[in-house]
Amino acid sequence: EPEVTQTPSHQVTQMGQEVILRCVPISNHLYFYWYRQILGQKVEFLVSFYNNEISEKSEIFDDQFSVERPDGSNFTLKIRSTKLEDSAMYFCASRATGGSGNTIYFGEGSWLTVV
Amino acid sequence: AQSVTQLGSHVSVSEGALVLLRCNYSSSVPPYLFWYVQYPNQGLQLLLKYTSAATLVKGINGFEAEFKKSETSFHLTKPSAHMSDAAEYFCAVSVNNAGNMLTFGGGTRLMVKP
Repeated sequence: EPEVTQTPSHQVTQMGQEVILRCVPISNHLYFYWYRQILGQKVEFLVSFYNNEISEKSEIFDDQFSVERPDGSNFTLKIRSTKLEDSAMYFCASRATGGSGNTIYFGEGSWLTVV
Repeated sequence: AQSVTQLGSHVSVSEGALVLLRCNYSSSVPPYLFWYVQYPNQGLQLLLKYTSAATLVKGINGFEAEFKKSETSFHLTKPSAHMSDAAEYFCAVSVNNAGNMLTFGGGTRLMVKP
């Protein structure tokens, strides 16, 4: 069964460093997402991406965050200058087509620890 | 804006007992509703979804959920719990808007006792 894959599975970084989290969405999917889950808290929406541009973003997704689809397969989340409060599990997700009833498929997540 | 409330952050049942995980939603427009499961050290896996067809939805691993508009609920049930059902369960809502993103509840950790 096709799946969303994410790398790295775990990353520890120092405060102020840049981090790039990588994702390979399911190959024929057109909509891409990043969500995060701070330990003990809800899974939160960060950003959605379609047709090579951001379609919606939450208030969490400030200027420190950016997303990119550098080629036909990868979808990345960059945090420019990490803060302690960025420590979380980051989930990449993808959906084949638009429409709120269509399933969003999630990857296994990337644990980011900022020290 | 839509929201989801899951009553009970932890639920413990005995193996073979009924599983009931509660989810209530708030939405100003007809919602789409989802249940995801997260096993330890794994990602979010879709269990089932409601998309305005049948109100009783059957999912994987013997789970089902019933959409009750009058109660704004979408509770998840399974007649007989297995040890392998121990995981965290998330209810989520989506409505037709620009980003079509999911809004998640806080999750319920299901523990199954032998």
